[in-house]
Amino acid sequence: SQQGEEDPQALSIQEGENATMNCSYKTSINNLQWYRQNSGRGLVHLILIRSNEREKHSGRLRVTLDTSKKSSSLLITASRAADTASYFCATARGNNNDMRFGAGTRLTVKP
Amino acid sequence: NAGVTQTPKFRVLKTGQSMTLLCAQDMNHEYMYWYRQDPGMGLRLIHYSVGEGTTAKGEVPDGYNVSRLKKQNFLLGLESAAPSQTSVYFCASSYGTGAWETQYFGPGTRLLVL
Repeated sequence: SQQGEEDPQALSIQEGENATMNCSYKTSINNLQWYRQNSGRGLVHLILIRSNEREKHSGRLRVTLDTSKKSSSLLITASRAADTASYFCATARGNNNDMRFGAGTRLTVKP
Repeated sequence: NAGVTQTPKFRVLKTGQSMTLLCAQDMNHEYMYWYRQDPGMGLRLIHYSVGEGTTAKGEVPDGYNVSRLKKQNFLLGLESAAPSQTSVYFCASSYGTGAWETQYFGPGTRLLVL
């Protein structure tokens, strides 16, 4: 079963706009990770946020984590056409090697 | 560095046939993983390994076997392929425990079982 559930399933925006994706999960976690997948390619790690962190930044990416609501959000600011991809959240359960990925949000950035 | 490589890139099998998917990494990572990705779904963990000679089951291990005879290689085997195993298979590796370390993914193997 999937641990994380992304919302929305698909998002289409214009270049320069901000994109926000959400992830909800069911069980307690140690941390949460976000990955990007370009069409037909493998996943690329974006950012990891620990359960004791509320917000983390990396370049144009901003991730928040609310453990009380069991949710996380990924904000991409000033989006570019190259940001077009699917974005997945991932959490670990059990022995921390059993990673569970959500179904992803497909982001399309129109030039 | 090549990172994580997967062989083959694409394969078509008939039901009942067997095959082995090869994953290789040149980053000296201890941990390696096999996932499958089906349309509209996220990745699901099949098997993983925490070091040479060790393997463990993930979320969807049935119908698959794995081996980690060398640290740099992780093999995924299908003994008797079924149409339900049509999917894209991704291998990944990490320096430490997957939950705490970045996983590096290969480009994927597309498998079609007729």
